[in-house]
Amino acid sequence: SQKIEQNSEALNIQEGKTATLTCNYTNYSPAYLQWYRQDPGRGPVFLLLIRENEKEKRKERLKVTFDTTLKQSLFHITASQPADSATYLCALDMNRDDKIIFGKGTRLHILP
Amino acid sequence: GAVVSQHPSWVICKSGTSVKIECRSLDFQATTMFWYRQFPKQSLMLMATSNEGSKATYEQGVEKDKFLINHASLTLSTLTVTSAHPEDSSFYICSARRGRHTEAFFGQGTRLTVV
Repeated sequence: SQKIEQNSEALNIQEGKTATLTCNYTNYSPAYLQWYRQDPGRGPVFLLLIRENEKEKRKERLKVTFDTTLKQSLFHITASQPADSATYLCALDMNRDDKIIFGKGTRLHILP
Repeated sequence: GAVVSQHPSWVICKSGTSVKIECRSLDFQATTMFWYRQFPKQSLMLMATSNEGSKATYEQGVEKDKFLINHASLTLSTLTVTSAHPEDSSFYICSARRGRHTEAFFGQGTRLTVV
């Protein structure tokens, strides 16, 4: 069956450290992989997009990797801050169909 | 960045009535709009994908006669929950994007409560 799994429901990280979130998928062939941030009661906000032929993408303190062999993406936030606390969603941007499928998300808490 | 406006942000309706939710892309033309449903602490569940001027493509298990989607223009899509029941209570979110394999912009979401 098709699945998107994000490593943990919740993750606590000390301020200043690097937070690493994992997204694994099975039985999907996404052309792109996207990461979003969602705050409670709000719609998700786009962060980064990485193509299947890209290994890594960076934007300020954010870094995403995409390994199509392992069917995995890692999302890193360096020098984490309490304001980074939110739910982070991995999303598969499908190759054949024009749709985006989301994982369940990981709630990240940055502890001051 | 681009703005997607969703209205209303919350609605309470009686069981058996219908509710319409609007999703507008304010400063860009959206080739595709998506409708999602989200339960507390759950992922966004894709309900349907709509393209302007054509019928929406519904995901498996989503009743198209229950959740009517109209995509009348490149900037407006509507979701109508017909004959709503308490189990339809949920957070509904729309998103829009300019083209395939581009970022999606999300509305604020609509909290629907059916009593």
